[in-house]
Amino acid sequence: ETGVTQTPRHLVMGMTNKKSLKCEQHLGHNAMYWYKQSAKKPLELMFVYSLEERVENNSVPSRFSPECPNSSHLFLHLHTLQPEDSALYLCASSSQDRETGELFFGEGSRLTVL
Amino acid sequence: GNSVTQMEGPVTLSEEAFLTINCTYTATGYPSLFWYVQYPGEGLQLLLKATKADDKGSNKGFEATYRKETTSFHLEKGSVQVSDSAVYFCALINSGSARQLTFGSGTQLTVLP
Repeated sequence: ETGVTQTPRHLVMGMTNKKSLKCEQHLGHNAMYWYKQSAKKPLELMFVYSLEERVENNSVPSRFSPECPNSSHLFLHLHTLQPEDSALYLCASSSQDRETGELFFGEGSRLTVL
Repeated sequence: GNSVTQMEGPVTLSEEAFLTINCTYTATGYPSLFWYVQYPGEGLQLLLKATKADDKGSNKGFEATYRKETTSFHLEKGSVQVSDSAVYFCALINSGSARQLTFGSGTQLTVLP
């Protein structure tokens, strides 16, 4: 139990579907992140929220839409995805106040786009 | 900008062998350095960290020393086990308004019985 919970763990969707990934952290952190992990590629930072404000958007296509309603919850809304978007999506959280600010990760949501 | 370079895998070792996974970094200022581990089917877990030069992080028999002069943070373990089979990521955080990890590309380790 890492304190960061992601649901669903597995998701299969067609290119015309709309779905959402959910992340919840129970660590009292004030920053949350979405990363994309594709086979044979480095981890890609997608979005960063600090104190519920989006502070980073790394040129992510608009078919990915994040939402952070409060400091404990983070969503990634998905619509009209492409097969190349199939990947493991990792959520993480951290405390911006701590000296090192290391990230704590969830177990990921494995997404397959058909 | 910041970058992390780690040795490419895959690395295959026999049980009880000595492990080294090299990691070097480029960063301005004084970053904190980390090793994360990802077991099959799971997310990333923090394995160890070091926040300043000459610090040694250690956990579960793994060690890494923050070497500022060589900008390195090599991961070592004296005797690996089958259960250590995983992907290992070296990473750094630089201070800033939003602390963000910069990851290396990961090294797949397989330990054979």
